[in-house]
Amino acid sequence: DTAVSQTPKYLVTQMGNDKSIKCEQNLGHDTMYWYKQDSKKFLKIMFSYNNKELIINETVPNRFSPKSPDKAHLNLHINSLELGDSAVYFCASSHRDAGNTIYFGEGSWLTVV
Amino acid sequence: KQEVTQIPAALSVPEGENLVLNCSFTDSAIYNLQWFRQDPGKGLTSLLLIQSSQREQTSGRLNASLDKSSGRSTLYIAASQPGDSATYLCAAEWDGSEKLVFGKGTKLTVNP
Repeated sequence: DTAVSQTPKYLVTQMGNDKSIKCEQNLGHDTMYWYKQDSKKFLKIMFSYNNKELIINETVPNRFSPKSPDKAHLNLHINSLELGDSAVYFCASSHRDAGNTIYFGEGSWLTVV
Repeated sequence: KQEVTQIPAALSVPEGENLVLNCSFTDSAIYNLQWFRQDPGKGLTSLLLIQSSQREQTSGRLNASLDKSSGRSTLYIAASQPGDSATYLCAAEWDGSEKLVFGKGTKLTVNP
């Protein structure tokens, strides 16, 4: 069973479109994250949620809106996509009491054309 | 500013060699430090997590050390194998912020 799963894995879309990436974890973790890996492979946090509450918002344009319907899900919606949004988006989860080992999904490759 | 640096960006070694990957971080008041492995087209796999109170962690052929006073961590890989070829990322968390700050990684190639 996949611990952290995200869909879609690949997404090609035109500038100006709105798209969503979904993430689910079956580890019983209380914290979920979105990270972005750019073309230079640099990985940087975007958001984190703890028990459905937004904890971290790292100066991300407000075109990006995370939504956490429950502890096991954290979705990322992106409005008015721009060329610079092309990247790999990783979902991750962790549990504070477990030493905070973080588990990553396999990534969603977003290409904006 | 809290930053993580990994040098070199790439490393190529023959199979069987023992090797060390380096990670340095600003601000010695880290909460924990993790080493990850990333294979091409894949997500990250956590290898070792070192809490701020620990000096090292071991898993199989991997050993990670942490020296807060010098702002350094190393990942030691014994008897390297071609299957170890991947990008190794170091990430630090400060003050229980739940935010990992990543280095840019070291791309390791182990040649048969």
